[in-house]
Amino acid sequence: EVQLVESGGGLIQPGGSLRLSCAASGFTVSSNYMSWVRQAPGKGLEWVSIIYSGGSTYYADSVKGRFTISRDKSKNTLYLQMNSLRAEDTAIYYCARDLQEVAGLDYWGQGTLVTVSS
Amino acid sequence: QSVLTQPPSASGTPGQRVTISCSGSSSNIGSTYVYWYRQLPGTAPKLLIYRNNQRPSGVPDRFSGSKSGTSASLAISGLRSEDEADYYCATWDDSLSANWVFGGGTKLTVL
Repeated sequence: EVQLVESGGGLIQPGGSLRLSCAASGFTVSSNYMSWVRQAPGKGLEWVSIIYSGGSTYYADSVKGRFTISRDKSKNTLYLQMNSLRAEDTAIYYCARDLQEVAGLDYWGQGTLVTVSS
Repeated sequence: QSVLTQPPSASGTPGQRVTISCSGSSSNIGSTYVYWYRQLPGTAPKLLIYRNNQRPSGVPDRFSGSKSGTSASLAISGLRSEDEADYYCATWDDSLSANWVFGGGTKLTVL
């Protein structure tokens, strides 16, 4: 059974850093495309970042230069390192397996809440 | 505002058929597939429709998707109370650096 479990969210001051984790089971993270998608309180979905199976990474303009997506093959885990956090980064962050045009974002984690506030 | 335009709300009574629209442009919906996600209150989004009209395993055939030109629609027939949720359309946009773009979401209320 495919499962994604995020962790690492919390309350952080503006300008601070946080690393989110997404532990996967039932499939191999490094063999798949993986995306992070966020949802600000009461708002819609916003794509944040993707890592391809080959290792290439891409980011939304809103987080480029501040966030870094990565993965650990031995732990079958996806990460999102978030630096220089701003109030507008406050959101629930979801990781998802990204099958692109084949089948979209087919599995999602339960999400982890990041609150940026002083 | 979102690249893809959805009505903020929709409603129907049990057993009714409702449709949710998603409007885009030639650089997104007009040139690629559309995907639909359902988000029940307090939960993560779940894939409902992929490649315009394909249902993942486990999604009942009450849900159907279609696309025409730069617009797409999600239809739900035999509406049930458990269908009350937020629905999002998604695709890519050739003119943006974002990998995925989403509609603003439609909150479906079952009266």
